[in-house]
Amino acid sequence: SQTIHQWPATLVQPVGSPLSLECTVEGTSNPNLYWYRQAAGRGLQLLFYSVGIGQISSEVPQNLSASRPQDRQFILSSKKLLLSDSGFYLCAWSVSLAGVETQYFGPGTRLLVL
Amino acid sequence: AQSVAQPEDQVNVAEGNPLTVKCTYSVSGNPYLFWYVQYPNRGLQFLLKYITGDNLVKGSYGFEAEFNKSQTSFHLKKPSALVSDSALYFCAVRGVLSGGYNKLIFGAGTRLAVHP
Repeated sequence: SQTIHQWPATLVQPVGSPLSLECTVEGTSNPNLYWYRQAAGRGLQLLFYSVGIGQISSEVPQNLSASRPQDRQFILSSKKLLLSDSGFYLCAWSVSLAGVETQYFGPGTRLLVL
Repeated sequence: AQSVAQPEDQVNVAEGNPLTVKCTYSVSGNPYLFWYVQYPNRGLQFLLKYITGDNLVKGSYGFEAEFNKSQTSFHLKKPSALVSDSALYFCAVRGVLSGGYNKLIFGAGTRLAVHP
């Protein structure tokens, strides 16, 4: 069966420090991968998606970047964190079956920037 | 443009009573609709989806959802609520990313509180 991991689970970082959040998926090949941010325990904002190694698309301009160095690894980064980067970051994967995708989410990383 | 609306910020239900969490959508073409649940400090869990066929879709944990094309709604239901159903519920519709890839457009979420 497929599983998705995220780490760390919680992170407290000072403003201006770098960031690296990691997401890995097991039990599937060539998944589509997504990074979302959830602010204040409510709506989800799609940040990045990837349909293959080295292929990253950004949905919104921001202080963050993403990379996909391996098929089942997705990394969210920042060179200098801002206070507004605080939130709950969720990674998701999906595979298309007959043109229909279902996204499955990881456990999330809670980031607090002070 | 595709969109999803969850008109209720919070729904309060007594344990054992039926529950309904509302969702309406706006899409061009046939809608692909989803429900997810989120427990505190956890990721989203997939509950069910509607693609085509029977308007009543059954999902995990005893939940079901009814697709109504004329009302553009996809309400989540459960015949008898449990305290453990208390969580944040998200409705989503399939959208299209640049490049033609699929994405999910989420509603703002509805907090369900089931009281003993």
